[in-house]
Amino acid sequence: DIQMTQSPSTLSASVGDRVTITCRASQTINIWLAWYQQKPGKAPKLLIYRASSLESGVSSRFSGSGYGTDFTLTINSLQPDDFATYYCQQYKTYPYTFGQGTNLEIK
Amino acid sequence: QVQLVESGGGVVQPGRSLRLSCAASGFAFSNYDIHWVRQAPGKGLEWVAVISYDGSNKFYAESVQGRFTISRDNSNNTVSLQLNTLRADDTAVYYCTKAPQRWGFDSWGQGTLVTVSS
Repeated sequence: DIQMTQSPSTLSASVGDRVTITCRASQTINIWLAWYQQKPGKAPKLLIYRASSLESGVSSRFSGSGYGTDFTLTINSLQPDDFATYYCQQYKTYPYTFGQGTNLEIK
Repeated sequence: QVQLVESGGGVVQPGRSLRLSCAASGFAFSNYDIHWVRQAPGKGLEWVAVISYDGSNKFYAESVQGRFTISRDNSNNTVSLQLNTLRADDTAVYYCTKAPQRWGFDSWGQGTLVTVSS
């Protein structure tokens, strides 16, 4: 199975900051990576697919990059609504696997 | 609009069975693979199973292989997940999700909670 490792596990930031979350795959997944945002008690929401494509309706403050094994999610100008947990997911091969999550909290 | 509605969760004893359902609407259901993803209380997301758009291919996580069975009925726009021989570590919210080819999971249901406890 492909292991997905996110860092950091917890990230403290302030409104207006720019933050970056990284995700590393244990083997190459080309561009087959997605990023999700999840708030407590809610289903995840797709933000980025194919490593860098922005899902329709998602703010352009979110961006993704990377190829192969190393990927990043960047959030510009943090807004109060952005404080949540973020997950990466590979969908190159089954079983699809998620990173362990990054909890973005208000500093 | 796209809707996925899970049902069938509840409290069940270890070793017993449960059947979850996912009712879909608002999109061409028979064109899409459907996945189940679960989340144990306070934990991360875990992919569980997938069924292809026509039901011909199914894949499972190793943790549920041989105990869970996924199926679909394209005439009624539903997907089911049969959970057998349940264990305490199967306790989770179970989500069904829609997955366009090579896109990621673009729509999710609200989830249904399965609690395995004696």
